[in-house]
Amino acid sequence: EDKVVQSPLSLVVHEGDTVTLNCSYEVTNFRSLLWYKQEKKAPTFLFMLTSSGIEKKSGRLSSILDKKELFSILNITATQTGDSAVYLCAAKKDNNDMRFGAGTRLTVKP
Amino acid sequence: GAGVSQSPSNKVTEKGKDVELRCDPISGHTALYWYRQSLGQGLEFLIYFQGNSAPDKSGLPSDRFSAERTGGSVSTLTIQRTQQEDSAVYLCASSEWGYNEQFFGPGTRLTVL
Repeated sequence: EDKVVQSPLSLVVHEGDTVTLNCSYEVTNFRSLLWYKQEKKAPTFLFMLTSSGIEKKSGRLSSILDKKELFSILNITATQTGDSAVYLCAAKKDNNDMRFGAGTRLTVKP
Repeated sequence: GAGVSQSPSNKVTEKGKDVELRCDPISGHTALYWYRQSLGQGLEFLIYFQGNSAPDKSGLPSDRFSAERTGGSVSTLTIQRTQQEDSAVYLCASSEWGYNEQFFGPGTRLTVL
C-alpha cells in the first residue's frame, strides 16, 4: 500500500526561525515528489523534485529529494507570519496518480 | 488566463440525496484530477482523467461516487445517496499533459446533514 508520511504534524515557531519539514514516502512506480502550500482551500505549487540530491530554491524556501532513503525535506529560512499554512507533500506515480501526505501545519508567531 | 473553477463553492445537502460537483479546468489542460480533503486530513486522490483515455478510478471510495468528463473539458463528480462521512472539501486540479504542476480550483465544501 502506498504511503506518504509527513512530520511533524504541526509546528509553532517565531518569526525569523528556520524550519525543516519532512516527507517520507513508500510508493510504487514513483516518479516525482511535489510540495504544496495550502492556506485556504486550494493548495499552491511550490516545488517538483525528480532527481536525488539536487536542491531546488525559491527565495527563502528550498527542497531536496533523497530517492535512496525515500524522503524529502522542505526548508524555510527567516520565517514570516505569511508562511503560516499547511504544507503538503505528494508523490506522483508513473501513471500520474498522486498520493498526498496529511500535511504539516506551520504557525509562525510574530 | 482563467484558473480552474469549481461550483458550487458550498453545498449543504441531506443524507441520502444525490449531489453533483462541477469542475472547469484551465483551457488546454488535458489532465484533470479530483481530490477529497476531510477536516484536518491530507488530500485523498479520487479519480484522474487524461485526454480521451479511460479514467483512473482507483481512488473512488465506493460505487456511490462517479465522475465524467465531457468533451475533454468540464468534469462532474456525482455522489449518490450521500452519507455524513462524505462531508469534505472536494478539490479539482488540472495540468498540461507531461507536466507535474497541478493547478487547483477553489474547492467545493460539501456538508451532509
